[in-house]
Amino acid sequence: GAVVSQHPSWVICKSGTSVKIECRSLDFQATTMFWYRQFPKQSLMLMATSNEGSKATYEQGVEKDKFLINHASLTLSTLTVTSAHPEDSSFYICSAPGGRGVTNEKLFFGSGTQLSVL
Amino acid sequence: AQKITQTQPGMFVQEKEAVTLDCTYDTSDQSYGLFWYKQPSSGEMIFLIYQGSYDEQNATEGRYSLNFQKARKSANLVISASQLGDSAMYFCAMREGIAAGNKLTFGGGTRVLVKP
Repeated sequence: GAVVSQHPSWVICKSGTSVKIECRSLDFQATTMFWYRQFPKQSLMLMATSNEGSKATYEQGVEKDKFLINHASLTLSTLTVTSAHPEDSSFYICSAPGGRGVTNEKLFFGSGTQLSVL
Repeated sequence: AQKITQTQPGMFVQEKEAVTLDCTYDTSDQSYGLFWYKQPSSGEMIFLIYQGSYDEQNATEGRYSLNFQKARKSANLVISASQLGDSAMYFCAMREGIAAGNKLTFGGGTRVLVKP
């Protein structure tokens, strides 16, 4: 079945550094990628929607200059947390529709990235 | 207003018993889809079941069934014959509209702990 490969699984970085998270769709083309953030014991909150070849659409309250999203190909979308601070520490997870374009299509999720900013 | 509401933050269930997880939703769209996902402590999101707004029958997938009450805007998940491995967070989600590229909105989740 369709798989979304997300790397890294976890990352620890110093405050002020940038961190890049990659999501690759395996065996299918992901024209759309959703990026979610999840704080401990909370739900998934959509940050942005990326579409291959165009600018990402950010949800209200999400800083586009801080969370840079690139979707340059049909199989790769990246999220870069720029100048990370401790409050950016969270679980980030990507997901993509499987590509069949039918209404009951479930999202395929990456395995998530736990970011800890010291 | 919350689009997806899960009123049970946490539940205990005895092994081998059934458990119902509540989910209510709010939308003005006629076409929408409802999903349930399981998230174990590892963080991965595991798809469980889907119900379309026009589906007349309640969805079932193995031990999972969805009690869809359209007029009440509820989509409760029933897990039958609970197993220890069912201990996890469970999220209800909704996709508004028919396009597969439309985003999912998630509820706050319910943590289930299965007792032996």
